[in-house]
Amino acid sequence: KAGVTQTPRYLIKTRGQQVTLSCSPISGHRSVSWYQQTPGQGLQFLFEYFSETQRNKGNFPGRFSGRQFSNSRSEMNVSTLELGDSALYLCASSLGEGLVQPQHFGDGTRLSIL
Amino acid sequence: GESVGLHLPTLSVQEGDNSIINCAYSNSASDYFIWYKQESGKGPQFIIDIRSNMDKRQGQRVTVLLNKTVKHLSLQIAATQPGDSAVYFCAENKGETSGSRLTFGEGTQLTVNP
Repeated sequence: KAGVTQTPRYLIKTRGQQVTLSCSPISGHRSVSWYQQTPGQGLQFLFEYFSETQRNKGNFPGRFSGRQFSNSRSEMNVSTLELGDSALYLCASSLGEGLVQPQHFGDGTRLSIL
Repeated sequence: GESVGLHLPTLSVQEGDNSIINCAYSNSASDYFIWYKQESGKGPQFIIDIRSNMDKRQGQRVTVLLNKTVKHLSLQIAATQPGDSAVYFCAENKGETSGSRLTFGEGTQLTVNP
């Protein structure tokens, strides 16, 4: 079974631009969560989508948004990029129903803001 | 806010020794805990999980212990190998009503010396 796939792997943007990151979950998984990883703040939860609806949201500004499609694939968008948005963005998928199940992560998108 | 913390940022062991990585959590409402291994350039990889109705769970060469009285979680790796060198994170989930939202600790860098 294929794992979680994130594209692109690397991205370089400049301040003020916007960016869209993509995530394909493990087949059959309906929950997709996004996390930001930085050396200073560690791994921080951004949001979770289940059945095309945002089910949970972390403490990030409204510049960070996401969506989920009917095939469970998800995209994350960051608008008006700031230098502090440089980070590894990780996507994780899980079954999403019943008892909490392990989340399985992709290898992330490394975003660098110049 | 509440977070899952780790006692030691780094741990160095000899190949073949047993490793113990510790984690303290503060939210008594958490009922699901999970350990991840993250190698350089990759996303976190699921190792083992445990629910709050258990105090021990074993996998292949790994054991997780949960002590709810003192809010402590540990990961034991038997016969540590060089391939075990990575950063290890513990994470908590506050139950199915919170969906899939993991709060991560700061991580322990495990170095296995040959």
